[in-house]
Amino acid sequence: DTGVSQDPRHKITKRGQNVTFRCDPISEHNRLYWYRQTLGQGPEFLTYFQNEAQLEKSRLLSDRFSAERPKGSFSTLEIQRTEQGDSAMYLCASSHEGDVYYGYTFGSGTRLTVV
Amino acid sequence: KNEVEQSPQNLTAQEGEFITINCSYSVGISALHWLQQHPGGGIVSLFMLSSGKKKHGRLIATINIQEKHSSLHITASHPRDSAVYICAVRIPGNQFYFGTGTSLTVIP
Repeated sequence: DTGVSQDPRHKITKRGQNVTFRCDPISEHNRLYWYRQTLGQGPEFLTYFQNEAQLEKSRLLSDRFSAERPKGSFSTLEIQRTEQGDSAMYLCASSHEGDVYYGYTFGSGTRLTVV
Repeated sequence: KNEVEQSPQNLTAQEGEFITINCSYSVGISALHWLQQHPGGGIVSLFMLSSGKKKHGRLIATINIQEKHSSLHITASHPRDSAVYICAVRIPGNQFYFGTGTSLTVIP
């Protein structure tokens, strides 16, 4: 499988618990993006990495959210002290810097439900 | 206040019909993407455009940079085309703005 992989596909957690999601991008892609999508809305940008450097963070990414990409390959998104408003689909995408023809490749997402 | 507006929000068509989904944006962009999202949530990138027109199978995407408008056309629509189609614009600095999507249902 050469696409973008996200794990888990679904996560149900109790309010107040911490959750961590993983994204494995396409191996040649040096850029990795996290988005959040709530029901009926388009995805919203959360953060973006180029290699291991986190270059941009949305103000949607509160201090309960942290993302890492320690070796410039896979990335993790952690949400601490989850709230019901965190329930959403969390999407990861990757691209290669300078690739102007093929755009982004998205993963299938992790659907988080906070109960 | 949305940077990207799509229309219609919902669309139902009979199999075989020609379908058009429109996208208007208000910001300067470096590229525009059309994405397809199926009920399971996975997103597939259909097209990336910075000018003109692209065609892939039964799908055609056009963009008019001066008018800040793009259209996605589906010819000879089929039930398997049923999905949410999302317009996304990339602004300089590499951030994206997304439309809220157009939910398409094609009835056999």
